[in-house]
Amino acid sequence: AQKITQTQPGMFVQEKEAVTLDCTYDTSDPSYGLFWYKQPSSGEMIFLIYQGSYDQQNATEGRYSLNFQKARKSANLVISASQLGDSAMYFCAMREGGTSYGKLTFGQGTILTVHP
Amino acid sequence: KAGVTQTPRYLIKTRGQQVTLSCSPISGHRSVSWYQQTPGQGLQFLFEYFSETQRNKGNFPGRFSGRQFSNSRSEMNVSTLELGDSALYLCASSLEISGANVLTFGAGSRLTVL
Repeated sequence: AQKITQTQPGMFVQEKEAVTLDCTYDTSDPSYGLFWYKQPSSGEMIFLIYQGSYDQQNATEGRYSLNFQKARKSANLVISASQLGDSAMYFCAMREGGTSYGKLTFGQGTILTVHP
Repeated sequence: KAGVTQTPRYLIKTRGQQVTLSCSPISGHRSVSWYQQTPGQGLQFLFEYFSETQRNKGNFPGRFSGRQFSNSRSEMNVSTLELGDSALYLCASSLEISGANVLTFGAGSRLTVL
């Protein structure tokens, strides 16, 4: 079974509008961390936001927020006020508590295109 | 401060050859992880090193190996290259603190096997 599922292969959004990228996860470990990374065409993975399984509040980082619904096992990324530079591939990833720090399991990614 | 540096950025090899990729982590980071990214399989974890010891390994054949040096720099090696090894190989380093312990990635080494 897929541990991280991103069901939207591609998303389009108008500049300055908000967009939500979906991510669901599967784990039986009570301790885990969820990450979102952005990968522009250059290839480098850029960290956006992190949510720990025990965090009570949804994480926010500037224009990025994570809509964490633990019971539904979803961790959707919300980008407010989209910019042309937000066009990229976005990956949701999970680190399970019983594994080492360096191992993340990634979803298949969502390509976001921001239109002017 | 300098980020994660990967060399070479691009390389072309032929089947049967071997390749060595290098990764210099952020200064002070002791954990280095390697990932393979392909269009078909996505991002897959290869292995992780901490203090010169392999701490975790993904589901890859023995042709894939790595090591870490005392200055935390890491290398990965792929022997007897196959066409399917064509991929972007990403290295990431982290500080190993509790909580998020964010992985910082390099720009990758893009390997083409002909």
